[in-house]
Amino acid sequence: AAGVIQSPRHLIKEKRETATLKCYPIPRHDTVYWYQQGPGQDPQFLISFYEKMQSDKGSIPDRFSAQQFSDYHSELNMSSLELGDSALYFCASSAPGQGGAIAGYTFGSGTRLTVV
Amino acid sequence: AQSVTQLGSHVSVSEGALVLLRCNYSSSVPPYLFWYVQYPNQGLQLLLKYTSAATLVKGINGFEAEFKKSETSFHLTKPSAHMSDAAEYFCAVSEGSGYSTLTFGKGTMLLVSP
Repeated sequence: AAGVIQSPRHLIKEKRETATLKCYPIPRHDTVYWYQQGPGQDPQFLISFYEKMQSDKGSIPDRFSAQQFSDYHSELNMSSLELGDSALYFCASSAPGQGGAIAGYTFGSGTRLTVV
Repeated sequence: AQSVTQLGSHVSVSEGALVLLRCNYSSSVPPYLFWYVQYPNQGLQLLLKYTSAATLVKGINGFEAEFKKSETSFHLTKPSAHMSDAAEYFCAVSEGSGYSTLTFGKGTMLLVSP
């Protein structure tokens, strides 16, 4: 079965650079969520999109932005990177009518960002 | 606001022993509760979920959890640990409305020894 695809799997950037993470949801899933998991930390919700509109916002820094495109894939853009942005970034998707978290939406394998 | 507390950042068991991972929640509305497992360098995999139906929930890989409202708990158990169960386990809560988000606990690393 198709899963949530995230790219790249690994990314190394220098401080003050920019990074773009991509998420391709499961086909026919219309909702995408982004989470950030720092080293040894629990995942923290960043932002979510439903039908290409932002649906909820968590602890996403102003330096970050995200959007969902017409094909439902999503991109997380990160600028002026800091050492503290080093983390595993997860994307998750859920299907229409399944109520998001209630269905236990499907997570991707994550993008590991290292800022040096 | 919703929150989750997982007691014990590390739990060690012997292979074949009972696994018990503790989770207590706080929610202003009837919660939806989840357990996820994360293997090294991998994503989060749903083990089981409670969504206000049966209080005893059975999941994958022989795990189960019981929702106890009086104790605000949702502990994860497995009768007999296997080496392959070694991973990090996260309890999570959602207020369950529409497209709501998950709030995770800090995680418990399960170590299984031969």
